[in-house]
Amino acid sequence: QQQVKQSPQSLIVQKGGIPIINCAYENTAFDYFPWYQQFPGKGPALLIAIRPDVSEKKEGRFTISFNKSAKQFSLHIMDSQPGDSATYFCAASRSRDDKIIFGKGTRLHILP
Amino acid sequence: NAGVTQTPKFRILKIGQSMTLQCTQDMNHNYMYWYRQDPGMGLKLIYYSVGAGITDKGEVPNGYNVSRSTTEDFPLRLELAAPSQTSVYFCASSTGQGYGYTFGSGTRLTVV
Repeated sequence: QQQVKQSPQSLIVQKGGIPIINCAYENTAFDYFPWYQQFPGKGPALLIAIRPDVSEKKEGRFTISFNKSAKQFSLHIMDSQPGDSATYFCAASRSRDDKIIFGKGTRLHILP
Repeated sequence: NAGVTQTPKFRILKIGQSMTLQCTQDMNHNYMYWYRQDPGMGLKLIYYSVGAGITDKGEVPNGYNVSRSTTEDFPLRLELAAPSQTSVYFCASSTGQGYGYTFGSGTRLTVV
């Protein structure tokens, strides 16, 4: 049973465009929603995270939008750059046990 | 500040051989995790530990064993390696308070 569904599997965007990656979750007990960025040959690194008491969070060019009633959240990358090309994972967890469930990932390629 | 260190980075095993993947962290995190990453399948939890002497199974524990004798170290043991265990293995650690994980750089294992 996949508890965090992520789409699309892959995405190609021109430099300067705004790639959007979507995720949906099932467990209403989740209260922490991080996004991880992974470059080839490296481990995932925490990019940005949100808790369900806010609907949006921005850090630099990265924005998470969160819709609690729809159980959906998404990552937007403003003014995307070739250096943003990586695999992005959405995830969800409950703070009380800190076991993160990951989506299957989105391979993003930004064309120069 | 090394963070999470995994060794080796690469390994080729023959079917039926055994090996231990090493993981150590220097952040004094109580929680540690082992994930495997297969193409297009995201990250799947193998085993986790909430403190020295305490371990528990994750989603895909069969064929693996772990131990946690110290806060710093969380080795993953493969007994009787099988081709299905060909994967990239990531170790991670956290405070256990819902602020995300720190991942190591991974071990790429091939079983032939």
